[in-house]
Amino acid sequence: EVQLVQSGAEVKKPGESLKISCKGSGYRFTTYWIAWVRQMPGKGPEWMGIIYPGDSDTRYNPSFQGHVTISADKSLSTAYLQWGSLEASDTALYYCARSRRFRDAFDMWGQGTVVTVSS
Amino acid sequence: VMTQTPLSLSVTPGQPASISCKSSQSLLHSNGRTYLSWYLQKPGQSPQLLIFDVSSRFSGVPDRFSGSGSGTDFTLKISRVEAEDVGVYYCMQSVDLPLTFGGGTKVEIK
Repeated sequence: EVQLVQSGAEVKKPGESLKISCKGSGYRFTTYWIAWVRQMPGKGPEWMGIIYPGDSDTRYNPSFQGHVTISADKSLSTAYLQWGSLEASDTALYYCARSRRFRDAFDMWGQGTVVTVSS
Repeated sequence: VMTQTPLSLSVTPGQPASISCKSSQSLLHSNGRTYLSWYLQKPGQSPQLLIFDVSSRFSGVPDRFSGSGSGTDFTLKISRVEAEDVGVYYCMQSVDLPLTFGGGTKVEIK
C-alpha cells in the first residue's frame, strides 16, 4: 500500500528547534517529489517547499525560506521539515504530499503533524 | 493569486454544484500542460486529489466530478451532490513557484 506516514504531534516553546518527518512506503521514494504544506487553524493550505529525494533538489516558498529547512534521507525513505527557532506563529498542521513530476498535482498526502508552539 | 467563488455552498442531495477558480496569471505552461488541480478536504482529513491538469479525474474519483476551463478561468462541477461530498474544495496552481491554493469553498448538504 502506498502511503506517507508523518511523525506525531509536537508541543514546543518559542525558540526551540524541531524536526518532523514523513516516511514514504509502497513506492520508489527517490522518484517522487515530496512537498510540505502548512495549514493554519481554519485556513487554507500554503505550499512551503519541495524536495526531490533522488538528488535532494530543493525549492522553497520565499515566505518560508530561511525559517525552515527541508531535507530527505533516501536510505530511510523519509523527508523532513525542520525549524531552528520556532515562533508562536508556527502553530499549525503540517502535511507532506508527493508528486510524480515537479509541477504535477499531489496524488498522496500524509496524515498531518500538529505543531503547537506556546510558552 | 487564486480566487475561488463562492466561499460556501449549501446543496440538496442529488442537485448539481459548481465552484469557480480564477487565476491572476495563465496556468498554461510552455510544455502545453495547464497546471490546475482540485482537492477536497473532508472534515478532519487530509486533502485528497480529485482533478489534475484541469480536467483529468484522479484514480478512484467518481465521474460525477468534472473539471473544465483554460488559461485563467476554471470550474469544478459535481453533477449530483452526495452526502460524502461535504468538505472544503481547493484549487491549486502549480505552473509557477510558489505553488498556491485558492481560499477554499465549503460545501454543505441541505
